[in-house]
Amino acid sequence: EDKVVQSPLSLVVHEGDTVTLNCSYEVTNFRSLLWYKQEKKAPTFLFMLTSSGIEKKSGRLSSILDKKELFSILNITATQTGDSAIYLCASGKAAGNKLTFGGGTRVLVKP
Amino acid sequence: DTAVSQTPKYLVTQMGNDKSIKCEQNLGHDTMYWYKQDSKKFLKIMFSYNNKELIINETVPNRFSPKSPDKAHLNLHINSLELGDSAVYFCASSHSSTHRGPSGNSPLHFGNGTRLTVT
Repeated sequence: EDKVVQSPLSLVVHEGDTVTLNCSYEVTNFRSLLWYKQEKKAPTFLFMLTSSGIEKKSGRLSSILDKKELFSILNITATQTGDSAIYLCASGKAAGNKLTFGGGTRVLVKP
Repeated sequence: DTAVSQTPKYLVTQMGNDKSIKCEQNLGHDTMYWYKQDSKKFLKIMFSYNNKELIINETVPNRFSPKSPDKAHLNLHINSLELGDSAVYFCASSHSSTHRGPSGNSPLHFGNGTRLTVT
């Protein structure tokens, strides 16, 4: 059965800190790894990674994939209170666009 | 606004009742999904439709029946509701799930969820 595990479960930081979120996966017919941010309602798409070693960057957020070791990390630098959310990673299969989600990491950024 | 919209936002009902959740997207996508998010925040896929055709049907009790009248709509009907059905149900859509290409999966666009509480 496909599995996606995220760590840590939760963390509390102060504004300006850097956080690193981890996502490991075991998926047959793997195609890509996706990161989402969930605040109060709908998860919103952040990144999709398909190749090892190529960093994707958007502002203070960046992510990288290691297909050999089967993990991805999401970094947030210079955190702000607006970064407080649950961050979800998901693995995508090659067929049917089926995404398997991890349980998320809850990030709380204090002023 | 371009979006995935689902109704109702909240649904409180008693065990044994039958209820429906509606979903519509105007993003021009041809694939739609239902996901269930439990209290531990795990998002699990239930169903996926591509152009009105069922393509993913996970191990879900047959009390749950999706219906897609056209590619912009995917509704979820639940019969004989049970306490364990309480969760947040998310509708989502994406570009074609049958696309095969080097660019990876098609990211899902989620609705705001329907919080179902069964008492």
